[in-house]
Amino acid sequence: ETGVTQTPRHLVMGMTNKKSLKCEQHLGHNAMYWYKQSAKKPLELMFVYNFKEQTENNSVPSRFSPECPNSSHLFLHLHTLQPEDSALYLCASSQDLQLTPLHFGNGTRLTVT
Amino acid sequence: AQKVTQAQTEISVVEKEDVTLDCVYETRDTTYYLFWYKQPPSGELVFLIRRNSFDEQNEISGRYSWNFQKSTSSFNFTITASQVVDSAVYFCALTLPFSGGYNKLIFGAGTRLAVHP
Repeated sequence: ETGVTQTPRHLVMGMTNKKSLKCEQHLGHNAMYWYKQSAKKPLELMFVYNFKEQTENNSVPSRFSPECPNSSHLFLHLHTLQPEDSALYLCASSQDLQLTPLHFGNGTRLTVT
Repeated sequence: AQKVTQAQTEISVVEKEDVTLDCVYETRDTTYYLFWYKQPPSGELVFLIRRNSFDEQNEISGRYSWNFQKSTSSFNFTITASQVVDSAVYFCALTLPFSGGYNKLIFGAGTRLAVHP
């Protein structure tokens, strides 16, 4: 596989559930990102990791918990979400943090019921 | 504060028409970068172009062209002879090169382009 792969593609969860989103990149990149894309709102940067270290938490609520075990994998652990958290969650990677192009995955469409 | 405005929410054209997607940005910094990304129905954003604030030369890549004008703080994107495969949401984005040292892109709301046969 090449590029950035996200699983699952679709996820429906209740507000009391715990689930995780997975992202894997096969590009040899060192930086990985989580973005949130809601209807009628611009793409929002959530978290940034560089060489497995978190470099940015963009005021994201604690019900979203990222994990980056290595430079190729990124997780987003979800618990006690709210309906307004329903959105498309996009993972991206880049060679480094210095303006190299972002490569995005197809996203996980999350619906919180 | 930095901001990107894409005033056109949706554009609908017929195949072979030319179409221009507008992007207006705000920043007080003199050094910045502008981007265009395409998001087809499959969901992933695809990088199209990056332009730095010191390079106002227009760029052409096949049917795509970009017009960067600092005087009007605009970075418009034109598709010539549009095709159905161009149907997607297009995002303009802005970043400052040393804002934490990473790709903290500020995206516009996007323009949904529908090209009909």
